[in-house]
Amino acid sequence: KAGVTQTPRYLIKTRGQQVTLSCSPISGHRSVSWYQQTPGQGLQFLFEYFSETQRNKGNFPGRFSGRQFSNSRSEMNVSTLELGDSALYLCASEITPSTDTQYFGPGTRLTVL
Amino acid sequence: GIQVEQSPPDLILQEGANSTLRCNFSDSVNNLQWFHQNPWGQLINLFYIPSGTKQNGRLSATTVATERYSLLYISSSQTTDSGVYFCAVKDANAGKSTFGDGTTLTVKP
Repeated sequence: KAGVTQTPRYLIKTRGQQVTLSCSPISGHRSVSWYQQTPGQGLQFLFEYFSETQRNKGNFPGRFSGRQFSNSRSEMNVSTLELGDSALYLCASEITPSTDTQYFGPGTRLTVL
Repeated sequence: GIQVEQSPPDLILQEGANSTLRCNFSDSVNNLQWFHQNPWGQLINLFYIPSGTKQNGRLSATTVATERYSLLYISSSQTTDSGVYFCAVKDANAGKSTFGDGTTLTVKP
């Protein structure tokens, strides 16, 4: 089976722009979660989606949003980018939420200038 | 929410040495995983171990759920074991994974 894929792998944006990141889970996995990793804050939970519904949301401003499609692929969007949004964004998939093994994608490294 | 503490924060070993990494968590969990983050940032699954003991080659892990801790053992360490090791837990209510701050392991040849 193919693993979790994330696109793009690297991205450079300027302050004020918006960005959309994509995540394709492992075939058959219906749960997708997003995490932000920064040197100062570590790995922080952004959202969790299951069957196109957002089940959980982390403590991030409304500029961060996401969605999941009927094929389980997920996108996250960050509007009005700030310098502090520079981070590695990781997507994880699992068969169902909470009680399964999470598998992570390679991440998207976002740099905001 | 659940608090996760990993120790030690940094560990430097000579090749061939053994090590033990610890993960303490503050509440009951139904999901615990250990990951190794490679230099390119990808989190590699090591163990899914909400309780009990598992072994995979030179690595093994034990979780004592009633005492709220997990241990990751690395035997005969190799330079390729270098990197950051994370423990992540989930409780049934939150659904999200909470990560510890990680242990940075450096194995010197």
